[in-house]
Amino acid sequence: EVQLVESGGGLVQPGGSLRLSCAASGFTFSSYWMSWVRQGPGKGLEWVANIKQDGSEKYYVDSVKGRFTISRDNAKNSLYLQMNSLRAEDTAVYYCASYRKSSDFDYWGHGTLVTVSS
Amino acid sequence: DIQMTQSPSSLSASVGDRVTIACRASQGISNYLAWFQQKPGKAPKSLIYAASTLQTGVPSKFSGSGSGTDFTLTISSLQPEDFATYYCQQYYTYPLTFGGGTKVEIK
Repeated sequence: EVQLVESGGGLVQPGGSLRLSCAASGFTFSSYWMSWVRQGPGKGLEWVANIKQDGSEKYYVDSVKGRFTISRDNAKNSLYLQMNSLRAEDTAVYYCASYRKSSDFDYWGHGTLVTVSS
Repeated sequence: DIQMTQSPSSLSASVGDRVTIACRASQGISNYLAWFQQKPGKAPKSLIYAASTLQTGVPSKFSGSGSGTDFTLTISSLQPEDFATYYCQQYYTYPLTFGGGTKVEIK
């Protein structure tokens, strides 16, 4: 069974940092691009970042460029999102998802809530 | 950036109804279009990719069509478990972008 389990969310002050993790199992993690997608309270879905299988290519939505860094450890079947200089508008549930150009997002995690507030 | 516009933003329907949701891209995206279902408090579920291909395990009451800029998601016979919010999303180019969602409610 495919599982994506996010962790690391919580309450952080504006300007602070947080590192999200996503543990993958049940599929060949190293064969997939991976993604972070977020959803603000009462809002729609917003793609945040993608990373290639070997980490050699990374893409970000403009609003997080220079503040967030996506990374992965294929030996640990894990995906990460380092979030710095957090703002109130980064408050959201963050989902990790597997991605393929041929079939878009396949599998989704349950999400982890990040709240940026003083 | 490619803007994705869904219509309507919400609709009320009865069990057994045929429901159609439209999605328009601000520029051509070929068939790089996906549909998702999301229920309150839950993660999105992938329904369709490549505009019309069902993800594994998705029932055939869901269908998608379109190419270029105009797409539709159809639910052939609405069931209680189908009441949810539906999103379209383009993966033709970065940044990947979602439509604003269509909430399907019980009439």
